[in-house]
Amino acid sequence: DVKVTQSSRYLVKRTGEKVFLECVQDMDHENMFWYRQDPGLGLRLIYFSYDVKMKEKGDIPEGYSVSREKKERFSLILESASTNQTSMYLCASRLIGPTNTEAFFGQGTRLTVV
Amino acid sequence: AQSVTQLGSHVSVSEGALVLLRCNYSSSVPPYLFWYVQYPNQGLQLLLKYTTGATLVKGINGFEAEFKKSETSFHLTKPSAHMSDAAEYFCAVSDHKRGGSQGNLIFGKGTKLSVKP
Repeated sequence: DVKVTQSSRYLVKRTGEKVFLECVQDMDHENMFWYRQDPGLGLRLIYFSYDVKMKEKGDIPEGYSVSREKKERFSLILESASTNQTSMYLCASRLIGPTNTEAFFGQGTRLTVV
Repeated sequence: AQSVTQLGSHVSVSEGALVLLRCNYSSSVPPYLFWYVQYPNQGLQLLLKYTTGATLVKGINGFEAEFKKSETSFHLTKPSAHMSDAAEYFCAVSDHKRGGSQGNLIFGKGTKLSVKP
């Protein structure tokens, strides 16, 4: 069974803290993604990575950074958490292949910044 | 640029009734289309996908979707709703802008389905 695992289901952090959200996949996928989900806004792409140490900004990268030191692990970093970063964060991975494939999602991390 | 529009942020049906969730896409190239379901406080799970070939796609839990190029639509249907279908549903299209068809997925804003007993 394919698996994308996010390190925490729920997190509560204080304003100004540095926050790390971790994601691990066991499918040897090249592509990994971090999305943010807010009511009425759907999923918005923060960053994605198509290889180790490679990353590209998504639609809403401000206030976030990422790290991909190993193929299976993709971390999202909030350098200085703010209350407007309270949200559901979803990690996904996707294979690059000869036919188009779906993305596989983790269970999500619900982050509250107080 | 690709985009996805889901008509109706909330849809309510009675148990046993037809489920119809609408999705229209915009794409300058042949699209790859997906429907995902999200149960409360869970990640997204693939329901079905259209890549090439047959335009009527069958998915899990009795759902199906039909790709209609002339209407740029990919509506999701289920003949008879069950209480367990209550969830949020997302339509998505592959983003060809990044790395060809192997890149990001662009999502609609989602449709929350309620099922009344």
